[in-house]
Amino acid sequence: NAGVMQNPRHLVRRRGQEARLRCSPMKGHSHVYWYRQLPEEGLKFMVYLQKENIIDESGMPKERFSAEFPKEGPSILRIQQVVRGDSAAYFCASSRSGSNIQYFGAGTRLSVL
Amino acid sequence: AQSVTQPDIHITVSEGASLELRCNYSYGATPYLFWYVQSPGQGLQLLLKYFSGDTLVQGIKGFEAEFKRSQSSFNLRKPSVHWSDAAEYFCAVGLISSGYARQLTFGSGTQLTVLP
Repeated sequence: NAGVMQNPRHLVRRRGQEARLRCSPMKGHSHVYWYRQLPEEGLKFMVYLQKENIIDESGMPKERFSAEFPKEGPSILRIQQVVRGDSAAYFCASSRSGSNIQYFGAGTRLSVL
Repeated sequence: AQSVTQPDIHITVSEGASLELRCNYSYGATPYLFWYVQSPGQGLQLLLKYFSGDTLVQGIKGFEAEFKRSQSSFNLRKPSVHWSDAAEYFCAVGLISSGYARQLTFGSGTQLTVLP
């Protein structure tokens, strides 16, 4: 039973480019969460999605960041026109409907040159 | 708003010694509490959780944690540390929405070093 799958594991972008991070939840999980971890810090909540719906995006930066979880396929976190401050590890978690437990993927480490 | 404080940024213990990692939280209601462990370059693995009931909870890898409402604490303990326990440990509190913990708020983490 595969866990939460994130790809790519490492992503390098130049300033101004777009970054797309993908997350496939565990089988049977319909809730997806994205968190960002800056160097030397804990994880910060960004967004919570269910299939085709954004439930809570209170942690998302107002500009350049967007997330989706389509009916088919993985969840996507999209960062447009990346800046150096976007360099971080981005973690996805998933949970089953009716569960309080979030299972985390291995993360995508984004480096902006 | 909820918050989590892990006062110890870095702890060093000798293999075989006991361990206690501190966690204090701020939350307006009964909290849902979690401890996760992160090895270098890896994701987070759930060690244990507290939702209700017995305030002493057992987790994986021999870890336990005790919820103390009066102290707003949820400290993680292990009687005898193994070299493989060296990692970063995160305490988290869950924001309850529709009865479930949806948005986790994490502490800044405690880095554990184990000496041979």
